[in-house]
Amino acid sequence: GAGVSQSPSNKVTEKGKDVELRCDPISGHTALYWYRQSLGQGLEFLIYFQGNSAPDKSGLPSDRFSAERTGGSVSTLTIQRTQQEDSAVYLCASSLVDRVSYGYTFGSGTRLTVV
Amino acid sequence: DAKTTQPNSMESNEEEPVHLPCNHSTISGTDYIHWYRQLPSQGPEYVIHGLTSNVNNRMASLAIAEDRKSSTLILHRATLRDAAVYYCILIQTGANNLFFGTGTRLTVIP
Repeated sequence: GAGVSQSPSNKVTEKGKDVELRCDPISGHTALYWYRQSLGQGLEFLIYFQGNSAPDKSGLPSDRFSAERTGGSVSTLTIQRTQQEDSAVYLCASSLVDRVSYGYTFGSGTRLTVV
Repeated sequence: DAKTTQPNSMESNEEEPVHLPCNHSTISGTDYIHWYRQLPSQGPEYVIHGLTSNVNNRMASLAIAEDRKSSTLILHRATLRDAAVYYCILIQTGANNLFFGTGTRLTVIP
């Protein structure tokens, strides 16, 4: 596609339920990032995938959060046993390997509300 | 990680130039300076980037201080569509995490 696609755009879930958020990066972008943004806050790094390398999971806030990237393309972020503090906009971004020269393309995000 | 400091908010009149400052006093020699903006209900959008020299593109200009400890994003004629939060971030080759601060919220007054 022309841009980074995220689905769903909005998700309301009950506390304790599991949720899956999907990201379709730009074709050919080998790097993929997940961030989250709480209301009025900056972006918080969650996880980074680069090609077939082991992902950088250093930003995941707890073991309830996990992510995978299949075939070097689509990525899914899973949050188990959701808590109210998980409510945020979850943003996905992709980039070419040379990201310092070409920048990052972000999706429009998934707004997660845990009630 | 090298961090950046930006004013929380700025205002500009429509069709006037806007200069958005960013301080990055701990920048290292391999850090690139990137600017992104985030419109309401959207993800951040790339605006411009540079290393040492000033840069121009169709969206904006980037002026980088000689010591690289600060930079300024210049919007030559602000429009209502430029109202957004503008983020100045430093990116190193090989770094996985982008540190986005809270940015500068630009309000454009008609």
